[in-house]
Amino acid sequence: DVKVTQSSRYLVKRTGEKVFLECVQDMDHENMFWYRQDPGLGLRLIYFSYDVKMKEKGDIPEGYSVSREKKERFSLILESASTNQTSMYLCASSLSGSYGGGQFFGPGTRLTVL
Amino acid sequence: EDKVVQSPLSLVVHEGDTVTLNCSYEVTNFRSLLWYKQEKKAPTFLFMLTSSGIEKKSGRLSSILDKKELFSILNITATQTGDSAVYLCAYMGGATNKLIFGTGTLLAVQP
Repeated sequence: DVKVTQSSRYLVKRTGEKVFLECVQDMDHENMFWYRQDPGLGLRLIYFSYDVKMKEKGDIPEGYSVSREKKERFSLILESASTNQTSMYLCASSLSGSYGGGQFFGPGTRLTVL
Repeated sequence: EDKVVQSPLSLVVHEGDTVTLNCSYEVTNFRSLLWYKQEKKAPTFLFMLTSSGIEKKSGRLSSILDKKELFSILNITATQTGDSAVYLCAYMGGATNKLIFGTGTLLAVQP
């Protein structure tokens, strides 16, 4: 079974703090994704990566950066957390190829910024 | 702008009912359409549809894609309380494996 793990299930930070969210997958997937999920807005793509050290902006990259130094690990960084970044953050991974197959999600990190 | 619209937004049924969830899309360079089930945790993958008219089936769940009319449906027969969840539809388009999600349908199955 594909396993995608995220470093924290719940996180509380203060405005202005630097926040790191880590995601690790164990299936040698090429693609990794970071989403945020908010009521009424659904899942929105923040950043994705299709290879080590490669990254592309998703639909809402502002206020975020990412790092992929190893194939299995994809980090999301909030340089200076703000209250509007309070959300559920979901990491996903998938194989590459013509269709990529389904994306497999981690359990999510619920981040609250005070 | 590419978009995915799901309907209804929410649905309440009784155990044993059959439900049909709808997903319509307006996208460029369509590659595939995916369905996910999300309970109080991360979404779990259900189906990926790439060809029109071919039904995918898994137990009581089935899904079909109509590429001409740009929609997909997810059917659940003989619903159970464990089917209560948000059902998400997403399309994959373009040259990458990005997914664009709809806002989901919240299904509540009452005993």
